[in-house]
Amino acid sequence: KQEVTQIPAALSVPEGENLVLNCSFTDSAIYNLQWFRQDPGKGLTSLLLIQSSQREQTSGRLNASLDKSSGRSTLYIAASQPGDSATYLCAVKTSNTGKLIFGQGTTLQVKP
Amino acid sequence: GAGVSQSPSNKVTEKGKDVELRCDPISGHTALYWYRQSLGQGLEFLIYFQGNSAPDKSGLPSDRFSAERTGGSVSTLTIQRTQQEDSAVYLCASSPFGTGGEKLFFGSGTQLSVL
Repeated sequence: KQEVTQIPAALSVPEGENLVLNCSFTDSAIYNLQWFRQDPGKGLTSLLLIQSSQREQTSGRLNASLDKSSGRSTLYIAASQPGDSATYLCAVKTSNTGKLIFGQGTTLQVKP
Repeated sequence: GAGVSQSPSNKVTEKGKDVELRCDPISGHTALYWYRQSLGQGLEFLIYFQGNSAPDKSGLPSDRFSAERTGGSVSTLTIQRTQQEDSAVYLCASSPFGTGGEKLFFGSGTQLSVL
């Protein structure tokens, strides 16, 4: 059974700092992995999607990496800003027709 | 519409009553998901529809929960005889179906409160 874990559960950093959020999964046979952002009281917004054949994806100040063999993904946020404060969730898709399995999320606070 | 639409945005009901939650996916998206998010928790998978295939109902927590998707578009999640533990945000998401590069698009959710 695929399980997704995110560490840490919460993180507080000063503005401008570079940071890394971690996601691990127990079964390396994944189809793709997505990172999402959730603001309080809102739905989820997809940030980056990495297909199983890819090693990383970049969008602006965000970079997500994927190491299937070790069951890990990281989300790197460069030069953090207060507007980056949100909960970040990773989710693994186990097959083309399968469901997404989510981690519990990391709640990030960037202090001005 | 431009995004995934869910209604109602908030629903307060009494224990034992039935509720229906609606999801309008993005036009043309063949995949539709329902998730539940309890306070401070991650997303719990409920059900997944993909085109005309039989839905994956493996996440429905009890037989009080059911969902249908009419005409491959709008979906309704029904909870019968609601219990207080059903209180949560119910999120719907849709995506196109293809070769694996498809992002999920989420609605804003329905906040269900069972008194």
